[in-house]
Amino acid sequence: AQTVTQSQPEMSVQEAETVTLSCTYDTSESDYYLFWYKQPPSRQMILVIRQEAYKQQNATENRFSVNFQKAAKSFSLKISDSQLGDAAMYFCAYRSAGYQLIWGAGTKLIIKP
Amino acid sequence: DSGVTQTPKHLITATGQRVTLRCSPRSGDLSVYWYQQSLDQGLQFLIQYYNGEERAKGNILERFSAQQFPDLHSELNLSSLELGDSALYFCASSSRATSGIPTDTQYFGPGTRLTVL
Repeated sequence: AQTVTQSQPEMSVQEAETVTLSCTYDTSESDYYLFWYKQPPSRQMILVIRQEAYKQQNATENRFSVNFQKAAKSFSLKISDSQLGDAAMYFCAYRSAGYQLIWGAGTKLIIKP
Repeated sequence: DSGVTQTPKHLITATGQRVTLRCSPRSGDLSVYWYQQSLDQGLQFLIQYYNGEERAKGNILERFSAQQFPDLHSELNLSSLELGDSALYFCASSSRATSGIPTDTQYFGPGTRLTVL
């Protein structure tokens, strides 16, 4: 069975600085998708970025980028120029062959003004 | 706004009762997923429907059931409620693909917060 591990329960960063959130996963599948979702205090689950495993190029969405290391089964999220609005829980998720998402435990990101 | 709607936003009920949570997917999405987010269990997949048919089951209790209707909205029924069922219940939908297979990205509704007293 697939598993997703986020080893950092909490991270903090100074506003305008860069922060990296870690995620590792375990799978025997070769074709899959990985996601980062953001959950602000409103509890809404918001898609931040996704990565297709067959693509070697790392996904980028504005200030958000990933470092996808398929062999190491690592999928970290880098947030550049951190803003106060980035404060939230960040969840790493793996989409299994059955299409449902398997979630990490989440990392709470604190932005210091 | 993801385009996925869920009602009600909040639900407070007593142990032993039964409740129904409703979800309307994004326009055109055929696939609906239900997830439970609780403090002790984190986020867990419950069940998936595609175009009215059950596609996959996760850690869904026998006291829980779901269905997807011809208009594609879905309902999650929770019965004989226990204190431990208190959680945030999310519905998500994913894009329709011409092949009939759901595409990869799931968009989430705002959730229904269930409190069992």
